Amino acid sequence: EAGVVQSPRYKIIEKKQPVAFWCNPISGHNTLYWYRQNLGQGPELLIRYENEEAVDDSQLPKDRFSAERLKGVDSTLKIQPAELGDSAVYLCASSPRWQGAGYTFGSGTRLTVV
Amino acid sequence: QQQVKQSPQSLIVQKGGISIINCAYENTAFDYFPWYQQFPGKGPALLIAIRPDVSEKKEGRFTISFNKSAKQFSLHIMDSQPGDSATYFCAASITGANNLFFGTGTRLTVIP
Repeated sequence: EAGVVQSPRYKIIEKKQPVAFWCNPISGHNTLYWYRQNLGQGPELLIRYENEEAVDDSQLPKDRFSAERLKGVDSTLKIQPAELGDSAVYLCASSPRWQGAGYTFGSGTRLTVV
Repeated sequence: QQQVKQSPQSLIVQKGGISIINCAYENTAFDYFPWYQQFPGKGPALLIAIRPDVSEKKEGRFTISFNKSAKQFSLHIMDSQPGDSATYFCAASITGANNLFFGTGTRLTVIP
């Protein structure tokens, strides 16, 4: 069974440029998460989807970040425009609707803004 | 505000020794406490988890000890191996909310 697939693995962009990350969750997982992991820190939630609905986006910087999950499967996270402080690893995770099975994380996208 | 506090930041253990990582939380509504293992360039992977109705859970060489009254929990790795060298994160969540609050991580190095 394929795990959570993310692309690209690495991205280097200049500040003020746009960037997008893509995530394909595990088949059948209703819940999808985007986390941001700064260097030397634990992941922090940006947004959580239940199927197509964003049920928790309170930590998403909405002035520059946006996300979508069309048809309740794949998801895209976008930053426009990127700032130097956005450099981090962006992790996507998925889980069945019920808690207890645990999250499955993808390998992440390492973003460097120069 | 850090919801889950983790220590130590780094840990060096000899092969065969016991690795102990500690976490503390404040929110008494938390009712699910997983530990994740992360290797460089990979996402965190679920290692073991516990709910507050038990004080200990063991899976192979990994044990979680849970102290509800002290609001603390810890991960014990018995017979530590070089392959255990990784960063370990504790986390906590509330059933139904599903959002995980992670600690800051512990980088474990097991010396052969």
